[in-house]
Amino acid sequence: QVQLQQSGPGLVKPSQTLSLTCAISGDTVSTNSDTWDWIRQSPSRGLEWLGRTFYRSDWYNDYAVSVKSRITISPDTSKNQFSLQLKSVTPADTAVYYCVRSHNWNFDYWGQGTLVTVSS
Amino acid sequence: QSALTQPPSASGSPGQSVTISCTGTSSDVGGYNYVSWYQQHPGKAPKLLIYEVSQRPSGVPDRFSGSKSGNTASLTVSGLQAEDEADYYCSSYAGSNNFWVFGGGTKLTVL
Repeated sequence: QVQLQQSGPGLVKPSQTLSLTCAISGDTVSTNSDTWDWIRQSPSRGLEWLGRTFYRSDWYNDYAVSVKSRITISPDTSKNQFSLQLKSVTPADTAVYYCVRSHNWNFDYWGQGTLVTVSS
Repeated sequence: QSALTQPPSASGSPGQSVTISCTGTSSDVGGYNYVSWYQQHPGKAPKLLIYEVSQRPSGVPDRFSGSKSGNTASLTVSGLQAEDEADYYCSSYAGSNNFWVFGGGTKLTVL
């Protein structure tokens, strides 16, 4: 059974960097068959896919156009986890952030969610 | 504004059937058979209900079924039960520029 455990601060100041980590159990971040994604949810924007990291003989990333200039998703194979960094946040980035496994073109396992509030 | 259009609400009595629609374009729903449906209870993470338009993961009751016609996908919940009261979201692959798009969600009420 795959489990995703999120960690990170729930409050970030405007203009700073949002950082979250997702620890994986029951699967491996360097698997060739899955991708490791971040999705956020807010009342104003609904569910929004942010990006992913995945291994296919090398590491790759894809990012949503809306955050491409500010986002980094990176794997940590030594700890079997992956992380999200979102720079220069504004109150519009306030949302519940989920780490998610994508397997066979669907999101089958989700982390518990982290409410991140951007406020001074 | 979400890329895929869902009705904001739907309702039905226990035992009845309800269908929720999800309308996109030929660039997402109509262009790929990678439509998924998710159920979300308050305060919980979304749960995968349907993938690849009509496939059910193990453990999902066969009361839940999915279909697609053109640019519109549909989720049908048959034999409504009280525990089906939740928010339902559709998602579709949208190609290598937009990747994944979601609907705005439908709140299902069991009367």
